[in-house]
Amino acid sequence: NAGVTQTPKFRVLKTGQSMTLLCAQDMNHEYMYWYRQDPGMGLRLIHYSVGEGTTAKGEVPDGYNVSRLKKQNFLLGLESAAPSQTSVYFCASSYRGRYEQYFGPGTRLTVT
Amino acid sequence: RKEVEQDPGPFNVPEGATVAFNCTYSNSASQSFFWYRQDCRKEPKLLMSVYSSGNEDGRFTAQLNRASQYISLLIRDSKLSDSATYLCVVTLSGNTPLVFGKGTRLSVIA
Repeated sequence: NAGVTQTPKFRVLKTGQSMTLLCAQDMNHEYMYWYRQDPGMGLRLIHYSVGEGTTAKGEVPDGYNVSRLKKQNFLLGLESAAPSQTSVYFCASSYRGRYEQYFGPGTRLTVT
Repeated sequence: RKEVEQDPGPFNVPEGATVAFNCTYSNSASQSFFWYRQDCRKEPKLLMSVYSSGNEDGRFTAQLNRASQYISLLIRDSKLSDSATYLCVVTLSGNTPLVFGKGTRLSVIA
């Protein structure tokens, strides 16, 4: 099993460009999450999904959109990237909300 | 008051030392508790769950004090490989997402 995978691993964007980060899990987990991690800020939840076709906002959702069309995939979109979105993005999945979360290796995004 | 608070450290300890971290949480309705470990530039990984009766896994011991709303992690006989950031994690109930603390950084020195 690959666990949780993220694509791409690194990306540099110019301000105003758009991109989509892909997260995939092969553990048949119901819940999936997108976090960002910045120095001194810890992990902050952007959006999450409790099942196929459903999404919910987390702590810092502004500037991001998500979609969960298939149970195994969770996409994070940046429509118009800003330098404030420079961060490390982690995807995670879990069986249910209160169970252990498994994280992907992260995507390092720089917006110039 | 933040939901989960941890001393950011760093804790610099010599090999073989015993070190303890505490974490406090604000919501008394919190139900599940975990310690995660995050190595530099890597993803967080579950270290251990924290049970009401306390639990031990090798050199690691986790305790929960519901009355005072804090969780502790004790590491005995520290190894160089224990150097990492330790994240305290709680969840309220049922299916609400986990809430992560900002982490405590540990450096074990030879």
